[in-house]
Amino acid sequence: DVKVTQSSRYLVKRTGEKVFLECVQDMDHENMFWYRQDPGLGLRLIYFSYDVKMKEKGDIPEGYSVSREKKERFSLILESASTNQTSMYLCASSLTSDGYTFGSGTRLTVV
Amino acid sequence: RKEVEQDPGPFNVPEGATVAFNCTYSNSASQSFFWYRQDCRKEPKLLMSVYSSGNEDGRFTAQLNRASQYISLLIRDSKLSDSATYLCVVVSNSGYALNFGKGTSLLVTP
Repeated sequence: DVKVTQSSRYLVKRTGEKVFLECVQDMDHENMFWYRQDPGLGLRLIYFSYDVKMKEKGDIPEGYSVSREKKERFSLILESASTNQTSMYLCASSLTSDGYTFGSGTRLTVV
Repeated sequence: RKEVEQDPGPFNVPEGATVAFNCTYSNSASQSFFWYRQDCRKEPKLLMSVYSSGNEDGRFTAQLNRASQYISLLIRDSKLSDSATYLCVVVSNSGYALNFGKGTSLLVTP
């Protein structure tokens, strides 16, 4: 089974801090994604990457950046965390659009 | 108009009931569709793909109506363990990323 591992299950950060959320997949997938999920808003795509060093903006990239230096790792960076970035962050990977596997999520609270 | 729209529910049904969810999508060029299931405080997991000809997996049937741009999920003989949020998903124009509906909440009661 494909495993997508997110480094932290729960995270609490202060406003203005730089925050790194890490995601690692073990099945050599080309495509990796970062979503955030909020009550009433559903899952919204922040960024995705279809190859090493390639990245594409999703629907809500503002305030975020990403890094994909190795195929298996896709990092989400909050340059200066704000309280409106408090959310559940979900990483996913896929070989094709059929096989989309999610990590178990990181619940980030910005205080 | 949102790209993928679902009735949020909740749908409360007794065990053994049949329940159906619909989902509409706005991009008529969309080619691929899915249903995902998300349990409380868990990540979404693929339930089934939706094919033009319709497809069935045990108690679950998914159908696609391209003319009206909607997708449906039918659950027969509901079990308590079917209680979850069901997410309608459409592949985006990029061909890589998935657009998720906000989900329909199902609660199956004894």
